[in-house]
Amino acid sequence: AQSVTQPDIHITVSEGASLELRCNYSYGATPYLFWYVQSPGQGLQLLLKYFSGDTLVQGIKGFEAEFKRSQSSFNLRKPSVHWSDAAEYFCAVGGYLIYGQNFVFGPGTRLSVLP
Amino acid sequence: NAGVTQTPKFQVLKTGQSMTLQCAQDMNHEYMSWYRQDPGMGLRLIHYSVGAGITDQGEVPNGYNVSRSTTEDFPLRLLSAAPSQTSVYFCASSRSGQDGYTFGSGTRLTVV
Repeated sequence: AQSVTQPDIHITVSEGASLELRCNYSYGATPYLFWYVQSPGQGLQLLLKYFSGDTLVQGIKGFEAEFKRSQSSFNLRKPSVHWSDAAEYFCAVGGYLIYGQNFVFGPGTRLSVLP
Repeated sequence: NAGVTQTPKFQVLKTGQSMTLQCAQDMNHEYMSWYRQDPGMGLRLIHYSVGAGITDQGEVPNGYNVSRSTTEDFPLRLLSAAPSQTSVYFCASSRSGQDGYTFGSGTRLTVV
C-alpha cells in the first residue's frame, strides 16, 4: 500500500527566505505525486503534480518540486517566500484501488512566515 | 464556475442523530471522494466513487454511507452520529487520476 511521510510538522521561515518542504513516499509502481496547499478554513488547492517526464515540475504561486526516484522523494521548493504563503502543505501520492484512483495524503507541514 | 460545492459549512449534531452532508460538482468529473481531516492525521478517505452507481469503501468507512445516483452528486450520510465523527469533511472530485482532486471548502461537524 502506498504511504506518504512529511518529516516536518511545522516550519518557520522569514519572508524572502528560500523554502524546502520534504515529502517521502512509498509506492510499488510509478507514482502520481501532488502537492496541495490549505489556507486556514479553506479547502485544499492543487499546487503542482508529477506523473511522468521532466522530474522538475513547476506549479502555481512560484512553487516547484523535484521528483527523485532513488530517494523516493518529492520535495517542494520556493526561492523566496511571501507572507501569503503561510498555510498548511500536503503531499499526496496517487494509487489504484480495485476500481480506480485513490490518493493518500501525508500529515501536512504547517508553514509560518516571519515578517 | 462553482467547482465542488459542499453544504452545510457548519453543523452541530447530538450523539445518535443522523444527517447527510451534501456534495455537488459541475465539472462532469467521474471520480468523487469523501475525506475527513483531523489534527495531525492528514486526510483519510471515507468512501469514493468512480462513476454513477459505483461506490466503494476507503480507509475509514464505518458509520458512513454513500450513494452516487448521478455524476454530479455524492452525498455522505452519517447513520448515528458519534463524538468520534467530530471532524472537518471534504468532498473532492477529479476527471482522472492524473489530474489530482478539486476540493470543496469543507463541512465542519461537531457531535456532542
